[in-house]
Amino acid sequence: QLVESGGGLVQPGGSLRLSCAASGFTFSGFWMLWVRQSPGKGLVWVSRINGDGTSINYADSVKGRFSISRDNAKNTLYLQMNSLRAEDTAIYYCTRDWRNFAMDVWGQGTTVTVSS
Amino acid sequence: QSMLTQPPSVSAAPGQKVTITCSGSSSNIGENYVSWYQQLPGSAPKLLIYDNDNRPSGIPDRFSASKSGTSATLGITGLQTADEADYYCATKDGSLSGGLFGGGTKLTVL
Repeated sequence: QLVESGGGLVQPGGSLRLSCAASGFTFSGFWMLWVRQSPGKGLVWVSRINGDGTSINYADSVKGRFSISRDNAKNTLYLQMNSLRAEDTAIYYCTRDWRNFAMDVWGQGTTVTVSS
Repeated sequence: QSMLTQPPSVSAAPGQKVTITCSGSSSNIGENYVSWYQQLPGSAPKLLIYDNDNRPSGIPDRFSASKSGTSATLGITGLQTADEADYYCATKDGSLSGGLFGGGTKLTVL
């Protein structure tokens, strides 16, 4: 029900845009989040956006470099990642905030590798 | 930045019970709901518990959770080898207007 795409290998300082296609639920009715997991490490919240895109939050580690957005007509969530660093290397998951920050639907993840 | 603290690892024998703690602060666990996730190797996380102590449909009652003050606890009874996974707590962080995950706990069923 959530399918991420757009990951890949990028050089430090480069940019990448991740997409997450949603299906099977009323996409515009939910906060959506990006969560990442660096190799061998734990889950880290990256960003979230409310149903109509008017409320957005970022983790300090990506603020000013990443931009979250959504297109409810296309049922798609995005994450524009600029000025990428080696420490941004991770699997990026798209997930739905079902209620009170309980994330009940997850994508399979897309891998971002930042390396020269 | 605020953090949620979990033990790095726990272990127990098949059929036994284990608990995993998640310690936070007044600005996160203290004023928000806690959720718990299971992540099997190579898979995306799976929601186990929402709103502190509720199980989504399909989650067996071997999994339970509670919250008290600024801490939360996940309990798993009747351990099975299939329960070997990483477990994470999560909540909102009022000071960040965002989210927090615990560092994760690796469960080994001996």
